[in-house]
Amino acid sequence: EDQVTQSPEALRLQEGESSSLNCSYTVSGLRGLFWYRQDPGKGPEFLFTLYSAGEEKEKERLKATLTKKESFLHITAPKPEDSATYLCAVQAEETSGSRLTFGEGTQLTVNP
Amino acid sequence: GAVVSQHPSRVICKSGTSVKIECRSLDFQATTMFWYRQFPKQSLMLMATSNEGSKATYEQGVEKDKFLINHASLTLSTLTVTSAHPEDSSFYICSASKAVGEQFFGPGTRLTVL
Repeated sequence: EDQVTQSPEALRLQEGESSSLNCSYTVSGLRGLFWYRQDPGKGPEFLFTLYSAGEEKEKERLKATLTKKESFLHITAPKPEDSATYLCAVQAEETSGSRLTFGEGTQLTVNP
Repeated sequence: GAVVSQHPSRVICKSGTSVKIECRSLDFQATTMFWYRQFPKQSLMLMATSNEGSKATYEQGVEKDKFLINHASLTLSTLTVTSAHPEDSSFYICSASKAVGEQFFGPGTRLTVL
């Protein structure tokens, strides 16, 4: 059974204080690992897809990296508008279609 | 690109009535659409997967007769909550995918059953 564990559950940062969110996964053959951002009362917003160990992707202050066991979402010099819940999900090779297994998310708060 | 809409964004209904939620992929044809339920402070819980023209595949524990899913076209899927009760109150989110790969999510529908 595919499993995704995110840590920490919640993270409070000061504006400009860089940090990383962790996503550990167990899957029988990874097709892709996905990062989403979710604001309260809204649907998740797609951020990144990573397909193989060693891959990295960047978008503004966010950088996602992938190893064979985990992914990190690095946030550099965060701003209050980066406050949200960040969700990690995996898709297994054996999965038909594009079904995802989600982690519980990390709730990030960036204080001004 | 990859925009998904949901309607309505918020609905309040009386216990025993049925509620229909629409999910549309606006700028792409979705091979598959998914329906999720999300409780406060929790992650997404997959309810069912639907492919255009086929019967939906429901997750274990999800009542097929209560949560009716219709996927009439490559851009439209509907979720009908039949005979809704207060315990059905939740945030319902749909997503759509082009094929294998990313799911693109709608903005969600807040259902409150009185």
